[in-house]
Amino acid sequence: SAVISQKPSRDICQRGTSLTIQCQVDSQVTMMFWYRQQPGQSLTLIATANQGSEATYESGFVIDKFPISRPNLTFSTLTVSNMSPEDSSIYLCSAYLDGYTFGSGTRLTVV
Amino acid sequence: QQQVKQSPQSLIVQKGGISIINCAYENTAFDYFPWYQQFPGKGPALLIAIRPDVSEKKEGRFTISFNKSAKQFSLHIMDSQPGDSATYFCAASMSGNTPLVFGKGTRLSVIA
Repeated sequence: SAVISQKPSRDICQRGTSLTIQCQVDSQVTMMFWYRQQPGQSLTLIATANQGSEATYESGFVIDKFPISRPNLTFSTLTVSNMSPEDSSIYLCSAYLDGYTFGSGTRLTVV
Repeated sequence: QQQVKQSPQSLIVQKGGISIINCAYENTAFDYFPWYQQFPGKGPALLIAIRPDVSEKKEGRFTISFNKSAKQFSLHIMDSQPGDSATYFCAASMSGNTPLVFGKGTRLSVIA
């Protein structure tokens, strides 16, 4: 399976600001996936990112709030924009290469 | 619409006992069924996974049982240990280029 490096591991941000989360994969992967895990909850898919095309967002998530970049086959970023306390969650990226692998997550607290 | 239903929500097991977590799915196009273990503050880690061409897969103390006709699969943890205390998620996907759909999770506590 691929190995994913995700950063930052945690951050505390002021409401109204934006945070960009980065994921670097050690192998080329076609698709990358971004999830949100709210406190005590399961993982909810935000979007699927395919290199060279616009990300596909799940119901309830919009590009203006969660813009995603996928500039090449090993890298992706998720930006959480105009943050509010309700955005406080763990954000995880994932990729598939002989199995699904997850980054270690970004624990975001919005104050 | 919840595509993967997981139960129970929480589970307390005595050390040395068997922990059983169940999942049911709706989409018959799913062909990959993994279980993930997550400790507080960590990302989910793959524990064991199965495809529909087999009914059971065992890795150490962990076993997946799969019932294709009933659209159900379960995780059995034999000889449960306090170190197994974590949240367990079942998931399903249609292929490697599609995202995993997760169950709601089971918080397992193994007590001595």
